[in-house]
Amino acid sequence: QVQLVESGGGVVQPGGSLRLSCSASGFTFSGYGMHWVRQAPGKGLEWVAFIRFDGSNKYYADSVKGRFSISRDDSTNTLSLQMNSLRAEDTAIYYCAKTLGYCSGNTCYPYFDYWGQGTLVTVSS
Amino acid sequence: DIVMTQTPLSLSVTPGQAASISCKPSQSLLHSDGKTHLYWYLQKPGRSPQLLIYEVSNRFSGVPDRFSGGESGTDFTLKISRVEAEDVGVYYCMQSIQLPWTFGQGTKVEIK
Repeated sequence: QVQLVESGGGVVQPGGSLRLSCSASGFTFSGYGMHWVRQAPGKGLEWVAFIRFDGSNKYYADSVKGRFSISRDDSTNTLSLQMNSLRAEDTAIYYCAKTLGYCSGNTCYPYFDYWGQGTLVTVSS
Repeated sequence: DIVMTQTPLSLSVTPGQAASISCKPSQSLLHSDGKTHLYWYLQKPGRSPQLLIYEVSNRFSGVPDRFSGGESGTDFTLKISRVEAEDVGVYYCMQSIQLPWTFGQGTKVEIK
């Protein structure tokens, strides 16, 4: 069965950096795009970043563009999110999610069929 | 950005009764290929979100048939025909016709 396990969350000061990982199993990781979605405490869901199955394109929410970087390592079935210049408003549970849907050229129409359990990132001094 | 407006924001339902949640996007979600990119998720208390419905009306694998999705004009609806205790949580609609992919604010369903 599909399993997604996030790690790397923790407490970090504003301006600091953190790297999240998501270990995938139960499916052919190299065949699917992957996302990061976050949820601030007591709030709703916000899509953060997406990487296509072959890593050819990466997409980011404006709120994290230029600060966060999504990557993947198909040899270890691992998705990563490098988060730099962290702000208080980045405090959230970060979920990795497997994608379904399709892309036409550089335009994608994804949805998320499986989610990890999430890892909490707290940005505070 | 496409704004997804859900109503109501909370719902208290007697077990066995029906429930309905509406989602209204600020723009059309219909692609020229005929697909409509509207999805429904449920986040049970303390759990990760789970996919219920894809492309308006298709139930995801393992989702009970008491859940159904549809559309009426420019609005989309998630219906639960007979609410059970395990259906409590927050329901979100989501669009992926246009970046950034956005969610509704969520509808909290509780049992009376």
